[in-house]
Amino acid sequence: GENVEQHPSTLSVQEGDSAVIKCTYSDSASNYFPWYKQELGKRPQLIIDIRSNVGEKKDQRIAVTLNKTAKHFSLHITETQPEDSAVYFCAASKVLTGGGNKLTFGTGTQLKVEL
Amino acid sequence: GAVVSQHPSRVICKSGTSVKIECRSLDFQATTMFWYRQFPKKSLMLMATSNEGSKATYEQGVEKDKFLINHASLTLSTLTVTSAHPEDSSFYICSASGQGRLYQPQHFGDGTRLSIL
Repeated sequence: GENVEQHPSTLSVQEGDSAVIKCTYSDSASNYFPWYKQELGKRPQLIIDIRSNVGEKKDQRIAVTLNKTAKHFSLHITETQPEDSAVYFCAASKVLTGGGNKLTFGTGTQLKVEL
Repeated sequence: GAVVSQHPSRVICKSGTSVKIECRSLDFQATTMFWYRQFPKKSLMLMATSNEGSKATYEQGVEKDKFLINHASLTLSTLTVTSAHPEDSSFYICSASGQGRLYQPQHFGDGTRLSIL
């Protein structure tokens, strides 16, 4: 089955700096890569996603890059703010026969943005 | 849009009790729903995938007789933890994805914190 590795497990940055989180996946059939942000005790929220036919996607301060050959993808957050502090999960997915995407999550990165 | 409601948010009960958790998609039809378990400061572990009107597909190591899943309609899936024991205490989260587009993001409920005494 799919295996997703995520690094680093914790990341501390100064407000205004950039943060980068990296993930690798094992199954070359995976074709959809979402990123979720989870605050303590709350639901994971989708912040950005990328499909396998795209190399990069950007949404304001957030960007994701995908290298299919190397099977790795990264999340980039620029101009970090204290409210960006949370746990971030990457995931890899492939379409199920019956519909929907089965997600395999990375182990998470605790991001702390310090003032 | 894409709101998923999960109830209850918290359950505290005695060992041996069965607990039912509901997951509803409020503004879309969920072809597929997923149930996850999350331990403190850990990742989400998929327990099972359910499609409306068919039996759930359980991940390896998940006891289907222990964790009963029913997906009776396109907007409701339930997870019943039967004869719960302290080791079943955890944070359970459901997610739902809609139909139509090939790449369907999963939208999560708020989770249920289950504590078995």
